[in-house]
Amino acid sequence: DAGITQSPRHKVTETGTPVTLRCHQTENHRYMYWYRQDPGHGLRLIHYSYGVKDTDKGEVSDGYSVSRSKTEDFLLTLESATSSQTSVYFCAISEPILAGRSDTQYFGPGTRLTVL
Amino acid sequence: EDQVTQSPEALRLQEGESSSLNCSYTVSGLRGLFWYRQDPGKGPEFLFTLYSAGEEKEKERLKATLTKKESFLHITAPKPEDSATYLCAVPLTGNQFYFGTGTSLTVIP
Repeated sequence: DAGITQSPRHKVTETGTPVTLRCHQTENHRYMYWYRQDPGHGLRLIHYSYGVKDTDKGEVSDGYSVSRSKTEDFLLTLESATSSQTSVYFCAISEPILAGRSDTQYFGPGTRLTVL
Repeated sequence: EDQVTQSPEALRLQEGESSSLNCSYTVSGLRGLFWYRQDPGKGPEFLFTLYSAGEEKEKERLKATLTKKESFLHITAPKPEDSATYLCAVPLTGNQFYFGTGTSLTVIP
């Protein structure tokens, strides 16, 4: 298994509170990603990072922010959680290998977030 | 507009009954097609990457194939432990993947 951990693994919070999820990798991969997974939608990209302090938005970035101050850590913050952000969140990592081809992404175990 | 469509949504097989899962895509300039397996409560586990039409990859009872418009995941003589959700993904730009909604496979002993 790729060395990816996510914390916390489960969290219940209330609407309007800030929430930060952490992804930690031991593989020294350049790229890191945050996805959410909801029934009927599959995995959707929230934000990704292509290096320390280099991040960009994905398909469903509204209401989320990210930060990456070290290669190994990628944080996802919900500034003011809403019930629509109840989901399972996955972190992924990848490393560029083949020019002109996309890199395999390896996933962490996930964080189940419930916003009441 | 869907970029990736997986079918069927769910599939029940008897142990030993071979079948195929489909992943069709509309992305042009394919930079790879990725298959994952996901068990309940876990993150997706990488299975295969295919880059060119005609390419095939095999792993145990699984074989993935790729054409210009779709990929198939063939499961030969499945066992109950093959029960999982199988996901395919294609990159839209760079490393931004678009995932299908998956096929939930149940193999009955």
